[in-house]
Amino acid sequence: KQEVTQIPAALSVPEGENLVLNCSFTDSAIYNLQWFRQDPGKGLTSLLLIQSSQREQTSGRLNASLDKSSGRSTLYIAASQPGDSATYLCAEAPTGANSKLTFGKGITLSVRP
Amino acid sequence: GAGVSQSPRYKVAKRGQDVALRCDPISGHVSLFWYQQALGQGPEFLTYFQNEAQLDKSGLPSDRFFAERPEGSVSTLKIQRTQQEDSAVYLCASSSLAGGYTDTQYFGPGTRLTVL
Repeated sequence: KQEVTQIPAALSVPEGENLVLNCSFTDSAIYNLQWFRQDPGKGLTSLLLIQSSQREQTSGRLNASLDKSSGRSTLYIAASQPGDSATYLCAEAPTGANSKLTFGKGITLSVRP
Repeated sequence: GAGVSQSPRYKVAKRGQDVALRCDPISGHVSLFWYQQALGQGPEFLTYFQNEAQLDKSGLPSDRFFAERPEGSVSTLKIQRTQQEDSAVYLCASSSLAGGYTDTQYFGPGTRLTVL
């Protein structure tokens, strides 16, 4: 069974810092990996999706990388802002017809002004 | 619609009551998913529809949970004889492509179910 791990569970940084959020998964036979943002009391917003054939994706200040061989993905946030404070979850979709996602528990990020 | 909508947003039920949670996916989206998110945890897969067909219900925790999507659009998740361990946020997601190739899943705001 695929397991997705995100450590640490929480992170607090000062505004302006560049930071890296880590995600690891046990089964390298993934179809894609996605990063989501979740604000308190709200649903999930997709940030980046990396197909298994890709190594990274970028959107604005966000960059996500994927290393299937080591079972790792990272989300890089440049020049962090208080508005980036949220919970960040990674999720993998397995190879196969069903694209259900397996999520990590998330990393709760707090960016201090 | 502009996004995935869910209703009610909050539901309080007494233990043993039946509840029904509704999901309106993005118009035209083929795939629809239900997830359960317990406090402090990531969402866990419950069930998956492709149009009106329920192709995977392996994540449903017991036979008290039932989901349907009769016309391939709106979906309802029903929980019978609710138990305290059913308390969670129930998330619905839809995507535009059928299985075999994964597209971004768009999530609704969720329904927070509290069972007393």
